[in-house]
Amino acid sequence: DADVTQTPRNRITKTGKRIMLECSQTKGHDRMYWYRQDPGLGLRLIYYSFDVKDINKGEISDGYSVSRQAQAKFSLSLESAIPNQTALYFCATSGQVPYTQYFGPGTRLTVL
Amino acid sequence: GENVEQHPSTLSVQEGDSAVIKCTYSDSASNYFPWYKQELGKRPQLIIDIRSNVGEKKDQRIAVTLNKTAKHFSLHITETQPEDSAVYFCAASDGSGNTGKLIFGQGTTLQVKP
Repeated sequence: DADVTQTPRNRITKTGKRIMLECSQTKGHDRMYWYRQDPGLGLRLIYYSFDVKDINKGEISDGYSVSRQAQAKFSLSLESAIPNQTALYFCATSGQVPYTQYFGPGTRLTVL
Repeated sequence: GENVEQHPSTLSVQEGDSAVIKCTYSDSASNYFPWYKQELGKRPQLIIDIRSNVGEKKDQRIAVTLNKTAKHFSLHITETQPEDSAVYFCAASDGSGNTGKLIFGQGTTLQVKP
């Protein structure tokens, strides 16, 4: 689904470094989400946003921050990366009811 | 908090057989239940969904059933093919207002053997 894009697609970084993952969408959706995926744990919600002025924590927000720069852009930051943040990160968007979510291609992040 | 349990975690079937994946949810206010398929190295993609006012929905070889009383829903794949091999995730909507949040199950790895 090329309507939701993520950059970078792969990133290797070191402990303590700051890193930003970016998500853009052309679907015109108001709602955007950041998830992390770990084997056997499914998709866990980090942050979500209803619009530019409304950002909410998900179930695992510690160690992460987000910025909604525009309706179409939602960035996830790791202020000081640690090895247990090594995971696959997905951005998703949804429109109106029933709020079906559409995922980006993912960013594979490795923290050494 | 809200929880979705998915079983089994792995499922191996012979090509042509049926596959069933089951999920239970805890939030009685959940009203939307999508299923996603994730092929290796790819993003999760919606394959079918059901809303709480419907008990069953079919789309060719896949179907989903919902039992609101028991708070469980299932994915049924008939006449499985090797290209059905993937990880499947169920999800239930967050019932606390119109957040659009989904609570995901842990995933089922389906292997279809030729």
